[in-house]
Amino acid sequence: SAVISQKPSRDICQRGTSLTIQCQVDSQVTMMFWYRQQPGQSLTLIATANQGSEATYESGFVIDKFPISRPNLTFSTLTVSNMSPEDSSIYLCSASKVVRTDTQYFGPGTRLTVL
Amino acid sequence: ELKVEQNPLFLSMQEGKNYTIYCNYSTTSDRLYWYRQDPGKSLESLFVLLSNGAVKQEGRLMASLDTKARLSTLHITAAVHDLSATYFCAVDIDRDDKIIFGKGTRLHILP
Repeated sequence: SAVISQKPSRDICQRGTSLTIQCQVDSQVTMMFWYRQQPGQSLTLIATANQGSEATYESGFVIDKFPISRPNLTFSTLTVSNMSPEDSSIYLCSASKVVRTDTQYFGPGTRLTVL
Repeated sequence: ELKVEQNPLFLSMQEGKNYTIYCNYSTTSDRLYWYRQDPGKSLESLFVLLSNGAVKQEGRLMASLDTKARLSTLHITAAVHDLSATYFCAVDIDRDDKIIFGKGTRLHILP
């Protein structure tokens, strides 16, 4: 299993600023991902955080807006850059160990409000 | 592009009744997940289904997978109020564990 923590749990930010969200896993994992969830909606995959290389972004998400780091097997960060109110959402990180029978684990989420 | 469709999206039911949530997906996959999410909370893993015909049960919930029909079901038996939550299915689309979520089924069980 894996336990994931995220910091901050919530934040209120001004338009045009940036926020970095941290994701820490209590054990080494193979894959880490970042998702966005609008209130009452499903989860949308932003990117795969690759250890030691650039993240792989999904359609509609770009590195300049959502730079991601993954310096090791237990930690990743997502930055939301030059924020606008449309970026208000919950951001979740997830992790998996690529063990076929295992699940993908999710962090508690970061609730971001942009004014 | 993989599409994952759940139905119904909203379900209000009486305690004690049985019901089924359906999850259809549009391309081949070798792994399907069911998650539960309570309001304001993160996702709790319920089931991982790996092969055609797989069936898993936990308490009043039972999940099954038909890979040929690209269909999974989550069956609720004798519902109780504590099962009120949003249930998501998610499909693994490649060997790197990237998963795509359905829109979720918001389940409200009336006492």
